[in-house]
Amino acid sequence: ETGVTQSPTHLIKTRGQQVTLRCSSQSGHNTVSWYQQALGQGPQFIFQYYREEENGRGNFPPRFSGLQFPNYSSELNVNALELDDSALYLCASSLDRGSADTQYFGPGTRLTVL
Amino acid sequence: QKEVEQNSGPLSVPEGAIASLNCTYSDRGSQSFFWYRQYSGKSPELIMFIYSNGDKEDGRFTAQLNKASQYVSLLIRDSQPSDSATYLCAVNRGGGSNYKLTFGKGTLLTVNP
Repeated sequence: ETGVTQSPTHLIKTRGQQVTLRCSSQSGHNTVSWYQQALGQGPQFIFQYYREEENGRGNFPPRFSGLQFPNYSSELNVNALELDDSALYLCASSLDRGSADTQYFGPGTRLTVL
Repeated sequence: QKEVEQNSGPLSVPEGAIASLNCTYSDRGSQSFFWYRQYSGKSPELIMFIYSNGDKEDGRFTAQLNKASQYVSLLIRDSQPSDSATYLCAVNRGGGSNYKLTFGKGTLLTVNP
């Protein structure tokens, strides 16, 4: 158990809809990163939040957005869902923004877009 | 050229053998290197990280790093059926971009009893 939780576990949406995924970081961790993992691929970095501010972004369109709250829980929002958005979405909390070696993943949310 | 490439699998070894997993990376500015294990349907779990050239051992696992060759490997000694999983190599650039992990596609390892 990493102490990182995500909800929901599974989600089915249709193309064009919007979705919000949630993550609760490990206690004391002020940094959260979100990754998308398509089937048969490695995780791809979406963005990172450090103390409620975006601290870096991968090659994802603006319809992927996020929030981090004062209690260090966070959300990933995806608008105008496309079929290719079907994937496992992982959040990872870390002690600090430079602490890749303390980055612990949550169990993930499996999103299916029909 | 992909940023992080792993040897194509699947890799199958008998129980008790040594499993060797390889990874190359293209960014010479990479500073930190990680191996994650991912069981089917689960999230990645950090096994080891290595920063300096050479070997780093932790139990049955040994990570090897050669920055000149841009190569990192993971050896699993005395492989067990419970080691059957996908192994993901990840690199981190450090400096201003030290927030981001770049992953390879992973290598599926099967350990046969």
